[in-house]
Amino acid sequence: DTGVSQDPRHKITKRGQNVTFRCDPISEHNRLYWYRQTLGQGPEFLTYFQNEAQLEKSRLLSDRFSAERPKGSFSTLEIQRTEQGDSAMYLCASSTPGVEQYFGPGTRLTVT
Amino acid sequence: RKEVEQDPGPFNVPEGATVAFNCTYSNSASQSFFWYRQDCRKEPKLLMSVYSSGNEDGRFTAQLNRASQYISLLIRDSKLSDSATYLCVVNIFITGNQFYFGTGTSLTVIP
Repeated sequence: DTGVSQDPRHKITKRGQNVTFRCDPISEHNRLYWYRQTLGQGPEFLTYFQNEAQLEKSRLLSDRFSAERPKGSFSTLEIQRTEQGDSAMYLCASSTPGVEQYFGPGTRLTVT
Repeated sequence: RKEVEQDPGPFNVPEGATVAFNCTYSNSASQSFFWYRQDCRKEPKLLMSVYSSGNEDGRFTAQLNRASQYISLLIRDSKLSDSATYLCVVNIFITGNQFYFGTGTSLTVIP
């Protein structure tokens, strides 16, 4: 399968714990995006990479959130000291410049 | 003010019906436009890009009106398999390269 992959697909964690998600984009795509989606809402932009450079971060991305794409291939999104309000679907998407995005299946986070 | 506004619906239509969704965007600098389809608890999938001249793909037609800043999606001869949430997306280059999603419009096609 050459699409966008995300791991894990589901994560249940206790409040205060740290979690890390991984995204593997389509191999020839140099742009990678992270989104958060809650029930009844569209995806909300969190951050965006072009190759290994993190070019934009949303105001939604508090200092508890950090994302990396060290070699311009896969990316990780870490949430520190999780809160119940962090419960959501975290979606990764990739694209080439000026072209539509392709999404991974998402990581569903539940913070108890 | 949200960058993209959509009527959340739900739209419940019988099989074979024609249904239209509209979406408005607030930033006149928006440059690329898309419709995505999202099934329940699945990721969004690209349905079609929207071009200034309008475009058609089988039973689906997308239109862009830059003057009024709205995008439309028309689905003809609705099928049960069209039941999903349809997300309107705009891409604004001037503010960076963010993609803004609407909240989605829910469609249920009834037998």
